[in-house]
This record gives sequence, C-alpha cells and structure tokens, in this order.
Amino acid sequence: GQNIDQPTEMTATEGAIVQINCTYQTSGFNGLFWYQQHAGEAPTFLSYNVLDGLEEKGRFSSFLSRSKGYSYLLLKELQMKDSASYLCAVKESGGYNKLIFGAGTRLAVHP
Amino acid sequence: KAGVTQTPRYLIKTRGQQVTLSCSPISGHRSVSWYQQTPGQGLQFLFEYFSETQRNKGNFPGRFSGRQFSNSRSEMNVSTLELGDSALYLCASSGTGQETQYFGPGTRLLVL
Repeated sequence: GQNIDQPTEMTATEGAIVQINCTYQTSGFNGLFWYQQHAGEAPTFLSYNVLDGLEEKGRFSSFLSRSKGYSYLLLKELQMKDSASYLCAVKESGGYNKLIFGAGTRLAVHP
Repeated sequence: KAGVTQTPRYLIKTRGQQVTLSCSPISGHRSVSWYQQTPGQGLQFLFEYFSETQRNKGNFPGRFSGRQFSNSRSEMNVSTLELGDSALYLCASSGTGQETQYFGPGTRLLVL
C-alpha cells in the first residue's frame, strides 16, 4: 500500500532551525518532493531528491534515505514568513507524474 | 514565463449540478495533472494528461473526468455534484523530461 507520514504540527522560534521528517511506504520509488503551501495559496516547489543524500538550497536542505524510506526537510534561520504547511510527496515508479502526498506539516514560527 | 493559470478561482454550485474547471499550463509544458485538496483527505491525485491522452488516473468515481487540448490546456469536469466535492482543485504542469510539477492557484469549489 501507499503511506506517507509526517508530523501534523510543529512550532519553532524565529532564527532557529527546524527539521520536518517524512517516512514513506510506496509501491516503487522515483523521487521525493517537498512543497511549501501558505494558507489559501498553491503549493510551491522546494526540493527534489531521487538519490540518497543531502540537497542544499539556501536556507532549505532536504535529505533522503531510500533504504529507510525516510526524508527530512531542514529549514535554517527561520523567518516569520516560513509559517506554512510543508508537504512531502512521493513519485512512484511507473506512475508518470502522479504524486502521492502526505497530510502536510503545519509549521508555526514565533518571534 | 507565466505560471500555471486556473479559471475560475472561486465557484459555488448546488448538489446535482455539473462544473467545468480550466487549467492553462506553463508555456511548453505538455503534462497537466489535477489534484483535489480537502482538509480531511489532503492532496489527492485525480488524473494526468499528456499530449491529449490521459495516462494516469486516481481513485475517484467516474463523475470526475477531464480532457486536454492540442495547446496543452486542460479541463476537468465533475458531474452530479455532491457536498463532498467541495474542495480546492489544483492543477500542476511539468515539462518533458522534467521531474518538478508547478501548481496553479487552484479553483475553490463550494457545493451547497
């Protein structure tokens, strides 16, 4: 079956670092995506991992371990505007562009 | 490049009616996918179109259908609307050989 788990809510302080975890069990694997979604807006692409390891892009980094079915999104130097939902999504092999999404993690950044 | 556009942005319908939503992908993108987002179920895949052909379909009833035109614009149709169809409908496009999907702003549908 398909299952993607991520924490429902997290809180953090401005300027701090936060790690959002995602575990997945899917039929085949062809990449993992992280999207950011502000309330009432469309998801925006943050990162893509298909090989094991860390991908860094500015204040955001994403890690993947395919053997463990595990990924995390690391946000550094948190800003108030980072308050949003963070969606983990897996592309299954043979599924073309079909993405299977987790329920999302709602992050609240406090001053 | 302009992003993915969707029309209309908001829609109110009553049960039993049907609705058509439109999506224009990023210029040059030939793949268009549709997703339904609700508070209870999150983001769920509806279907994907590529070069006017549906090449993948999610677990939704036959009331949900779609099509794609030669200019890659796509429409989705929901017939015999039910209260549970109230949701944000998002479309996403991606280019050939590209992994990333880019989402439009969505159409918020309310069924009364």
